[in-house]
Amino acid sequence: DTGVSQDPRHKITKRGQNVTFRCDPISEHNRLYWYRQTLGQGPEFLTYFQNEAQLEKSRLLSDRFSAERPKGSFSTLEIQRTEQGDSAMYLCASSPTAGNGYTFGSGTRLTVV
Amino acid sequence: AQKVTQAQTEISVVEKEDVTLDCVYETRDTTYYLFWYKQPPSGELVFLIRRNSFDEQNEISGRYSWNFQKSTSSFNFTITASQVVDSAVYFCALKGGNNRKLIWGLGTSLAVNP
Repeated sequence: DTGVSQDPRHKITKRGQNVTFRCDPISEHNRLYWYRQTLGQGPEFLTYFQNEAQLEKSRLLSDRFSAERPKGSFSTLEIQRTEQGDSAMYLCASSPTAGNGYTFGSGTRLTVV
Repeated sequence: AQKVTQAQTEISVVEKEDVTLDCVYETRDTTYYLFWYKQPPSGELVFLIRRNSFDEQNEISGRYSWNFQKSTSSFNFTITASQVVDSAVYFCALKGGNNRKLIWGLGTSLAVNP
C-alpha cells in the first residue's frame, strides 16, 4: 500500500452531467477526508469519515454533492448536475488518528465546460 | 475562530540562497497542531511536518528547519541552500482542539531559480 489513490486524475464534463470520483485511502487509516482546491487557494474542507460514518459535512457541500464510504475503506464523491463553479481539484486524504498529518492523494482535477 | 495567515504570496530566490516562509496562526484552543505541506506543480500535497502546541522545540530535517514560537503565534519554515526542486507552493495549516478539519493558509509560491 503505497499511499492514497484517486481516480480519475482528470475529468472533463459538460455542465449538467453527473460525475463520480473515487478515493482509496491507506488501508490502516480509518479517517478519510475530502477537500476541494481552486487555483491560488488553499484546500477547503468538504467532508470527513471515520470508518463508514460521515461525521462532518461542510456547508460548501450543497445538495448536489454526496459522499459515501460504504465499507469503511474506499470512498466516492458524486457531484450531480455539475456547474462551471464546480471546476476545481478534488483532494482526498486519510489519517490514522486525529492529530497526525494527513496523507493526500494526487487529486482529481474536474473541468466543467 | 481559527485562522492561518501566510503573508508572502510569492517568493523568488536564486539557488543556494536560504529562504524563510512565514506562517502566523490564530486559535483559542490550548491544544492544537500545526502542519506544513508542499505542493509541487504535479498537484499532490506532500506532508512535511506536524507540530503539537506543547512542543516548542525547533526541528531540523536536512535542509529544512521549523521555528515554532507560541509567544508570537508563528510557525516559520526555513529552507537552507535552496534548490530548484524546492520550487512549489508551501501551505501552513492548523488543526485545533477537537476539530476534524485542517484550516489552511493561502500558500506561498516559492520559485528557486538556477
